[in-house]
Amino acid sequence: QTLLQESGPGLVKPSETLSLTCSVFGYSITSGYHWGWIRQTPGKGLEWIGSNHQGRTSYYNPSLESRVTISVDTTKNQLSLRLTSVTAADTAVYYCARDYDDYAWVIWGQGTQVTVSS
Amino acid sequence: QTVVTQEPSFSVSPGGTVTLTCGLRSGSVSTAYYPSWYQQTPGQAPRTLIHNTNARSFGVPDRFSGSILGSKAALTITGAQADDESDYYCALYLSGGAPHWVFGGGTKLTVL
Repeated sequence: QTLLQESGPGLVKPSETLSLTCSVFGYSITSGYHWGWIRQTPGKGLEWIGSNHQGRTSYYNPSLESRVTISVDTTKNQLSLRLTSVTAADTAVYYCARDYDDYAWVIWGQGTQVTVSS
Repeated sequence: QTVVTQEPSFSVSPGGTVTLTCGLRSGSVSTAYYPSWYQQTPGQAPRTLIHNTNARSFGVPDRFSGSILGSKAALTITGAQADDESDYYCALYLSGGAPHWVFGGGTKLTVL
C-alpha cells in the first residue's frame, strides 16, 4: 500500500519561500507514475501546482511556473515543493498525490495547511 | 489558459439521479483528456471516484458512473444517498506541449 505524508511549516511570511516535503511509503518514486502537488485555497477548488514523472522530469502549472520548483530526493524517497515570493493568495491546503496509468490522481496525502501571514 | 467548467451547485432528492458535467470554456471534452472525478467532504482529502472517463476506482459503488455526454464529461449518481452530499471535482489531463492537469471549480451537491 502506497502512503503519502506531507510535512513542512504551517506559517510562512509574505515574500518568503514555502517549502514542503512529501514522504512516500510503500513505493519507490523512481519506479513509475507522476507525483504531484495540488493545493486548495480556502473555500475554493483544487489547483494542480506541478508534478514530477518517475523522479525525472518536472512539469508546472503555467500560472505558477516562474515561482515553483518540484524535485525528488531518491535517497529519501521524498517529493519536495518550493514556492518562492509567496503572498496571502498562496494560503492553502497543500496535497501531494500520485497518479495512475491513465493520469488520474488516485493516491492522496492527508494535506497540510500553509498560511502566509506576517 | 484552459478553463474547466462545472456547475457550481446541484441538488438531488434521496434515491434520485443526478448528472454533473465537466466542460471546457473553449472546445469539447473527449476521452483524450482522460477525465477523472473526485469527491471531497469538508476537512478531508479528495477521494478518486472515476478515472479515464468511466473506470470506477477500487471500492467506489456502482451507483457512480462516468461518461462523455455531448461535449462534456459527466458523472452520474444513480440512487443518491445522504452521504453523497459532497463537493465533486473533475480534472482533465492536457498533453499538448508539457503535460499538465486542470481541475474544474467543483460542484457542491446537496441531497435533500
